[in-house]
Order: sequence, then structure tokens, then C-alpha cells
Amino acid sequence: QVQLVQSGAEVRKPGASVKVSCKASGYTFTSYYVHWVRQAPGQGLEWMAIINPSGGSTNYAQKFQGRVTMTSDTSTSTVYMELSSLRSEDTAVYYCARGLAAGDYWGQGTLVTVSS
Amino acid sequence: EIVLTQSPGTLSLSPGERATLSCRASQSVSSTYLAWYQQKPGQAPRLLIYGASSRATGIPDRFSGSGSGTDFTLTISRLEPEDFAVYYCQQYGSTQWTFGQGTKVEIK
Repeated sequence: QVQLVQSGAEVRKPGASVKVSCKASGYTFTSYYVHWVRQAPGQGLEWMAIINPSGGSTNYAQKFQGRVTMTSDTSTSTVYMELSSLRSEDTAVYYCARGLAAGDYWGQGTLVTVSS
Repeated sequence: EIVLTQSPGTLSLSPGERATLSCRASQSVSSTYLAWYQQKPGQAPRLLIYGASSRATGIPDRFSGSGSGTDFTLTISRLEPEDFAVYYCQQYGSTQWTFGQGTKVEIK
């Protein structure tokens, strides 16, 4: 069965970076794009980035340009999202999702807390 | 960038009632690229509808999607207790997603 399993919760200080992983299984990793979406406490869904694991091409939301980097490792079927220069407003649950036009499978979410 | 506006913000209904949720786009969206999700507290979003009107795998037929251009609708024909949740519309374009702000369906 298709699964996206994300890494565990993280706590960072303002100005630091965080790298969240999303390990895929149950399907051909290079056949599906992967997105990252975040959700601040009590807020809606916010799209951040997309990667094509076949080739590694990416696209980032303008809001995160220069701060986010999305990569993939085909040997481990894992996608990574790194967010730098963290601020308190980056405290959120970060999700990975499979698909191009819509996300048919989602990871369980990773809580990233930014606090001094 | 296309902006999606969902209405109402909150819908208060009783089990068994019909729910009609609206999603309006700031410019025309291809029906192929309009999706709806359900999210319950503490859970990841769940895909309900893709391509504006196609139900995702395992989604009950009480959920239906319709619309085209700038106006899209998610209808839940008869609310079950497990349907009380937040619903988001989402569009795909230029290799990115945009979400509406969500509609909360709560028990009246």
C-alpha cells in the first residue's frame, strides 16, 4: 500500500534551519511529483513547494523563495524539505503529499516549533 | 496568482441534512485541476474530489463535486456524523497549488 512516512517533530531556535524527510513506499517513487504543504496552528493549508523525483526539478512558492530547498533521493525513495532562517511564524505542521494536480496520499505531518 | 474564496466560513447543520459548499476562483480554473479535501482535527487532509467532479478512491457517493470556470461546489447529500470537519478546495496551475481558506461544517 502507498505510504508517505515523515520524520519526527523538531524544535528550532529563530534563525536556524530544519530539514524534514518524507519516505515513500508502495509505488514507483519516480512516477509521482511530491508537494510540501504547511499548516500553522488553527490556520488553513499553505502550499510551499513541489519536486519531480525523476530529475529533481523543483518549483517554490514565491513567499519561500530563497529559504526553502526541496530535494529527493531515489536510492531511498525519500524527499526532503529544508527551511532556513526560521522565525516564529514558521511554527506549523508540515505535510508531504503525492501527486501533481491533486494530492491523493499525504504524510502524517511533522510539527516544527520555532521558539527561543 | 489565482485566489480561491470559499463560502460560507462555517456551516451549521444537523446529521442527515444536505451541505453545499462553494469555492470561487479569481480567474478561470480548468476543471481538470480543481480538487476538494476533508480535514479532521489532528489529521492530514484527505482527497475527496479531483477533476472537479471525480470521487477519489473509497469516497462515499454522498460526496459530489460540480462546477466550471470560476464557480465550483462540493455537495454532501446527507451528512453523516463523521462528515463534520473542515473542507478545502485546491487548484493546480503553473506547477503549484493554491488552497481556499476552508469551510468548517459543524454540528448544529
